[in-house]
Amino acid sequence: EVHLLESGGGLVQPGGSLRLSCAASGFPFFAYAVSWVRQAPGKGLEWVSIISGSGDTTHYADSVKGRFTISRDNSKDTVYVQVNNLRAEDTAVYYCAKTFYYDSSSGDHYFDYWGQGTPVTVSS
Amino acid sequence: SYELTQPPSVSVSPGQTARITCSGDALPKKNAYWYQQKSGQAPVVVIYDDTERPSGIPERFSGSRSGTVATLTITWAQVEDEADYYCYSRDRVFGGGTKLTVL
Repeated sequence: EVHLLESGGGLVQPGGSLRLSCAASGFPFFAYAVSWVRQAPGKGLEWVSIISGSGDTTHYADSVKGRFTISRDNSKDTVYVQVNNLRAEDTAVYYCAKTFYYDSSSGDHYFDYWGQGTPVTVSS
Repeated sequence: SYELTQPPSVSVSPGQTARITCSGDALPKKNAYWYQQKSGQAPVVVIYDDTERPSGIPERFSGSRSGTVATLTITWAQVEDEADYYCYSRDRVFGGGTKLTVL
């Protein structure tokens, strides 16, 4: 059974940092990309970042580029996102999601499994 | 990037057909995906590749795309289908979400 478990969220002051983790199990971790998607309180979903199975390729939303860094340790089946210089607008539940590319030539993909999320609150 | 536009809310009675639209200029060239998010839960994919239903998703969920509009249709909507629904494009853009009320 596929399982994703996020951790590392919490209350942090503006300008602070956190490292969020996503521990995976139940599938060949190295073979799949993993994404982070966040949801601000009462708001919709926002894609944040993605990392390829090998870790060689990463992409970021413009809203977090230069402040967030995604990485993975395939020996630990874990993806991380280092979030720096946090702002109030980064307050959200952060979900990690296994990302299934079913057509690599077109880039078509979807998020087939999600964790339950870890909350991040940026406030003084 | 571009936007995907959804109606904020849709309301139907149990047994009726619910249709949720998603419009975007890039949709004629991009497949649409639909996620269901029930209150307090993580999202779940209900439609991928415009029309495909993952295993475990009831047959009453279907999708279509024509021109700049993708549509999620829930035939014979049930009370348990009440949720927020989000469309998504492979350009990593979510729609703003639609709250479906079934009562």
